Formats: sequence, structure tokens, C-alpha cells
Amino acid sequence: DAGVTQSPTHLIKTRGQQVTLRCSPKSGHDTVSWYQQALGQGPQFIFQYYEEEERQRGNFPDRFSGHQFPNYSSELNVNALLLGDSALYLCASSLTGTSYEQYFGPGTRLTVT
Amino acid sequence: QQQVKQSPQSLIVQKGGISIINCAYENTAFDYFPWYQQFPGKGPALLIAIRPDVSEKKEGRFTISFNKSAKQFSLHIMDSQPGDSATYFCAASIGGGYQKVTFGTGTKLQVIP
Repeated sequence: DAGVTQSPTHLIKTRGQQVTLRCSPKSGHDTVSWYQQALGQGPQFIFQYYEEEERQRGNFPDRFSGHQFPNYSSELNVNALLLGDSALYLCASSLTGTSYEQYFGPGTRLTVT
Repeated sequence: QQQVKQSPQSLIVQKGGISIINCAYENTAFDYFPWYQQFPGKGPALLIAIRPDVSEKKEGRFTISFNKSAKQFSLHIMDSQPGDSATYFCAASIGGGYQKVTFGTGTKLQVIP
């Protein structure tokens, strides 16, 4: 049973560029959440997708947007990249209504230069 | 606004000793308190979790103690092993299918032989 997968593993972008990160949830899961983890910090909630809709959002600007596809996979898009966007971006999947448990992927390390 | 405070920031324990990590929360609406373990280069992995209707939960060498009136909870790792060396995050979330997780700042544990 494949767990949560994310791509790419690492990414280097220049300030002002745009980036798209991808996530495939654990088999059977229908909810995807995205988190940003700065170096030495705990993950910070960005937003959550369920039934292809953004269900919750954390304190992140509109430069951060996302999408969920019918197969439950998800994308995180960040526009107008800032140096401060450099972080590990984590995707977590869960099954709404049956479990509180979230399973995290290995993350995408984004470096903005 | 940090809603989950975690201490200590780092911890060194002798092999076979007890590791103790403490957390405090502010939002009384939280109803699920997981602990995550994260190794370098990996995403957080769910270790153990507790609901506020119980005061203690034990799984193998890992025990959560929960004090609802004090709004505090802690993780005890008994018989700590070098393989337990990792960063540990306490977290809290509000259920009902909305599983946004608020993380603490993390504790870097080092178990020395």
C-alpha cells in the first residue's frame, strides 16, 4: 500500500517565479492538507482540500493556491516567490469522517534564491 | 498566534533513560492531541495520539499523559534508545472531520549510548 507521495523532492527557484508542487494521497484517503515547515520549526497549516474544494485555510497569502483533482491528488501553487518561501512543503492525507489521523509525505524542499 | 507551546527545545538522554517532552495548549476546542516523530529528510510520522476524555494512553515504550484542567500534555519515552533520536512534535486539532493540525515548535531528542 503506497503511502503519501510528493514530487519533486527538491526544487530551486528564483525570487518572483512560480512553482507547482504535487501530492498523491494514501490509497483510500479523500482529504489532502498542505503544510509549510521552515527550518527548525513545526509545520504550519496552509490549506486543506476535500471534494475538490478548499475547506480550510491557514494564515497564508493568496499567492498560495491549490487544487484537488477527482482522483484526490492535489497541487500546491505558489506565485511571486519570496526568499521567505524557502521551506519544506508537506502534504498530508486523511479520510474525512472516519479518522483524525493524518499521514504525511516526505515533503518537497523548496529553495528560493 | 502560537496555540501549542512545547518544551524543551532540545533534550539529551542516556540510553535506557526516560525522555519527557511537555506541551501546553490554549484553545479548549481542541479535541485530539497527536504526537509526531520526524527524522531528518522525512515527513512527520504519527507516533501516538490521545483524546481529552482519557488521562493516559500507552503504546509500547511511548506514553501520553493528559491533564485537561491544566491544558497540558506530555510524552514519555521509556527505555530510550539511540534509534529514538529524532525531532518530536506535539500537536492539536479540532475534529468533526476538519483536521487542521496545529503543531508545537518541536523537541530535538538525542539518545546517547
